[in-house]
Amino acid sequence: SQTIHQWPATLVQPVGSPLSLECTVEGTSNPNLYWYRQAAGRGLQLLFYSVGIGQISSEVPQNLSASRPQDRQFILSSKKLLLSDSGFYLCAWMGGRMRRDTQYFGPGTRLTVL
Amino acid sequence: DAKTTQPNSMESNEEEPVHLPCNHSTISGTDYIHWYRQLPSQGPEYVIHGLTSNVNNRMASLAIAEDRKSSTLILHRATLRDAAVYYCILRAYNAGNMLTFGGGTRLMVKP
Repeated sequence: SQTIHQWPATLVQPVGSPLSLECTVEGTSNPNLYWYRQAAGRGLQLLFYSVGIGQISSEVPQNLSASRPQDRQFILSSKKLLLSDSGFYLCAWMGGRMRRDTQYFGPGTRLTVL
Repeated sequence: DAKTTQPNSMESNEEEPVHLPCNHSTISGTDYIHWYRQLPSQGPEYVIHGLTSNVNNRMASLAIAEDRKSSTLILHRATLRDAAVYYCILRAYNAGNMLTFGGGTRLMVKP
């Protein structure tokens, strides 16, 4: 069966520090991968998506970046965090042998920037 | 991208049916209507989707207007575990198959 992992589950970081969030998917191949952010009390905002290794599309300008070094690994990074980067970060996947019209979300990482 | 409009919140009594409306007057002919829900402190989960015909699954039913400018998610018997934010999303098929989330409807279920 397919599973999606995110870590860490929670993170508290000072302003100006770097960030690395990791997402991995098991049990499928060549999935589409997505990073979303959800500010407190708000809806989800799509940040990046990837249709293959090394292929990243950015949806909004920001100080975040994403990379896909392996087929089932998606990494969200920042060189210097801002207060406005606080939020709930969600990774999702779609495709492979499962339904190609449904996104499956991970458990999320709650990031607090102080 | 075509947009959706949903009420900010709704209330329901436990064991009663719930009808969650969604307006999407600018929907295009190739847009699918998707519904996801998000329980507190969790990622969203897929509920149901459709194109033109009404759809049923184990979680819910989706009723789509004949002109496709609106749809309704139907929970046949609300339980306390159905309390969540419900998102109505239009999805066009493209290389990214992206979802654009709006504000959703916060459903509160009273015992």
